[in-house]
Amino acid sequence: EVQLVETGGGLVQPGKSLKLTCATSGFTFSNAWMDWVRQSPEKQLEWVAQIKDKSNNYATYYAESVKGRFTISRDDSKSSVYLQMNSLKEEDTAIYYCRLWFAYWGQGTLVTVSS
Amino acid sequence: DIQMTQSPASLSASLGETVTIECRASEDIYNGLAWYQQKPGKSPQLLIYNANSLHTGVPSRFSGSGSGTQYSLKINSLQSEDVASYFCQQYYDYPWTFGGGTKLELK
Repeated sequence: EVQLVETGGGLVQPGKSLKLTCATSGFTFSNAWMDWVRQSPEKQLEWVAQIKDKSNNYATYYAESVKGRFTISRDDSKSSVYLQMNSLKEEDTAIYYCRLWFAYWGQGTLVTVSS
Repeated sequence: DIQMTQSPASLSASLGETVTIECRASEDIYNGLAWYQQKPGKSPQLLIYNANSLHTGVPSRFSGSGSGTQYSLKINSLQSEDVASYFCQQYYDYPWTFGGGTKLELK
């Protein structure tokens, strides 16, 4: 059974940093392309970032709204994907979901950016 | 970026009715489109991918169609468990983008 468990969310001040972790199991992680997707308090979904597998040179892609501030990475030995979020803004407040393909989503972790 | 315009934003329908939700892309997305259902407090669930392929385990009353820039999700014979929000997402080109969502309620 595919499992995705996000951790690392919380309350953070604007301008600060936070790192999210998605621990996975139940599939061959090293072959997987992994996404982060977020959902704002207004319930709008936004695709945030993707990292491909080793055979695709771990290529990464980002939404324009986070490019240059967020970094997606992975550790195949730990079957985990990460989202390093720097220079956080209030508009980054959202539930952050880890996703495998389109069908497998974690339960999400809440990030609140507020002073 | 490819913009996804979803309509309507909200919809009220009766049990047994047929419902259609539409997504329009700002350019051709060559059937690179998925539809999701999300219930309150839950993660989104995949319904349709590649514009018209039904995901495993999804009831056959759900169907997707379209091409080019125009796509639709149809729910036949609406059931009470279909009350939810629905989102489209294009994955033809990066950055991937979602529609604004449709909230479906019972009349």
